Formats: sequence, structure tokens, C-alpha cells
Amino acid sequence: GAGVSQTPSNKVTEKGKYVELRCDPISGHTALYWYRQSLGQGPEFLIYFQGTGAADDSGLPNDRFFAVRPEGSVSTLKIQRTERGDSAVYLCASSFGTSGERQYFGPGTRLTVT
Amino acid sequence: RKEVEQDPGPFNVPEGATVAFNCTYSNSASQSFFWYRQDCRKEPKLLMSVYSSGNEDGRFTAQLNRASQYISLLIRDSKLSDSATYLCVVMRGATNKLIFGTGTLLAVQP
Repeated sequence: GAGVSQTPSNKVTEKGKYVELRCDPISGHTALYWYRQSLGQGPEFLIYFQGTGAADDSGLPNDRFFAVRPEGSVSTLKIQRTERGDSAVYLCASSFGTSGERQYFGPGTRLTVT
Repeated sequence: RKEVEQDPGPFNVPEGATVAFNCTYSNSASQSFFWYRQDCRKEPKLLMSVYSSGNEDGRFTAQLNRASQYISLLIRDSKLSDSATYLCVVMRGATNKLIFGTGTLLAVQP
């Protein structure tokens, strides 16, 4: 079946602009995670959704970052007033439930802020 | 200090060699442990889970020592196709978030 998909695959934006990154999880997966991977680093947790609600947003770096999942499926990560330090690969992962099931990762969105 | 520590490498080994990666984690509340593989410009993919009893999958053997908070991965008979970054990962918290190490780069040479 279809895996996790993310769009766009690449996004180049100017400093100060607003961007939206989209994640389509595997059908039926209730848990959705966003991670950010900077060059030379492992992915870092940003936010977790169980259904429609953000159950853990402790990894969001500041209030310029926000994410939604209004119908419990597709999620959008929103970044306001982008900065060059936001340049990274943004990865989305989904899993079936809440008992530590395997997380499946999407291909990521490579964000470059110029 | 990072919560999950790995030697970043690179490890350059010839085909057929045995290579071992080590990792330590600092949070004793960590619940589950994994090795992920990440190819260049691709997403991480689960290689194997890690258990205290040790587990083996073909040429790959993983081991967890909870007392020492230490995780290892052994790759026997290295293949060119094993070249990748190997990420040590722990899962913790009620939300099951994954905490990644920085990854260890393996380059298997012909």
C-alpha cells in the first residue's frame, strides 16, 4: 500500500516568508509525528498528534512553528517568518496506534531559506 | 551532552569485514531501542529493534545493556550495499517519540 507522502519534496524560500509543509500519513494510522533533520545530525522530534489533537508539541523550537491535523489524517506544518536556521529536512512519520508501534517515515521536505 | 551518543565515523571498511557500532543513552526512562539505516538524501528506515536478550537478523546482530545504557550493532561480512548512516534510536515518553543519535557513517570499500 501507499506509504507516508510529503509535499513539496523541496522548498526554497526567502528569509521572512511563510511556508507550509504537508504530510499524508498511511491510511488508518492515528499517530503522526514531525521531526526535523539538520545537516550532519539525526532527526529531532518536533510535535506529535494523536488523532486531531497535538498531544506533545514540546519539540517545536519557538512560536514561529505551528502544526495542525484538522481531520485526523493530513497534517500541515507551518513556519512563519522563516530564518536561515530553519533550513533542514522536515520528516513526517506515522504509526498505527499509541503502544509504541513502528513509525514509518515519509521522504521528507527539504527546506532551504535564502 | 546529547541524550543519545554515537561515534559519527566515518568507518571505512573493506568488503567482507566485520564492523561494530556502539551507542550510549542517558535517559534511563527510555523504553524501546532501535537501529535505523539512512541512505544519502533518503528517509530513515528501521533496520532492527534491540532487546536485552540480543537479536540477530542475518548478518546483523544488535544488543542492549540496560544497566550500562549501551546499545551495539554488529555487521558481519560487510557488503557494498551496507554503506549508509546507521542511527541509534531510543523511544520514550507516553507519546513514543523517537530520540535519534547523530548517526554513524559506514563506507564499505570494494
